[in-house]
Amino acid sequence: AQKITQTQPGMFVQEKEAVTLDCTYDTSDQSYGLFWYKQPSSGEMIFLIYQGSYDEQNATEGRYSLNFQKARKSANLVISASQLGDSAMYFCAMREGGTGGSYIPTFGRGTSLIVHP
Amino acid sequence: SAVISQKPSRDICQRGTSLTIQCQVDSQVTMMFWYRQQPGQSLTLIATANQGSEATYESGFVIDKFPISRPNLTFSTLTVSNMSPEDSSIYLCSVGENNGHYGYTFGSGTRLTVV
Repeated sequence: AQKITQTQPGMFVQEKEAVTLDCTYDTSDQSYGLFWYKQPSSGEMIFLIYQGSYDEQNATEGRYSLNFQKARKSANLVISASQLGDSAMYFCAMREGGTGGSYIPTFGRGTSLIVHP
Repeated sequence: SAVISQKPSRDICQRGTSLTIQCQVDSQVTMMFWYRQQPGQSLTLIATANQGSEATYESGFVIDKFPISRPNLTFSTLTVSNMSPEDSSIYLCSVGENNGHYGYTFGSGTRLTVV
């Protein structure tokens, strides 16, 4: 079974509108971390946002916020006020376990976001 | 967070040859990871490279094909040996570090085309 599921291969959004990219995860660990990365066509992986399993509030970083629903095991990325430069692949990832746990992250298949002018 | 310099950024290589990719980190890090990303795919972990020990390879990857060196806490290389067109991919190095939470920083990637 996949540990990270991104069900949207591609998404389109109009410039200045908000968009939600879906991510569900599967783990039996109580302590874990969730990440979102952006990969533009240049190929680099850019860290966007992090949510810890014990964090009570949803993480926010500028225009990025993470809609964390622990009971549903979902960690959706919300991008507000989309910009043309947001067009890229977006990957959800998870690191399981706390101290002493595995430090190897698991990545989803990614969602391609295209922002239209 | 750490800054990683990855070289080369891209290369076009003849089949049967080898390419060595370098990653230099601006701080000492324990764990380094090497990934392959085939066109249109997600990241696949090749191996974990810890300083002072042999790299740990994931299923489907072998040392003869992807030898890794990790001579110190700031540097690592990945060699793609005896290349074939199927090796055409983006190769990424990554480090794990604790900056309030344990997270991952990536190099800028090496886009390899084998002809």
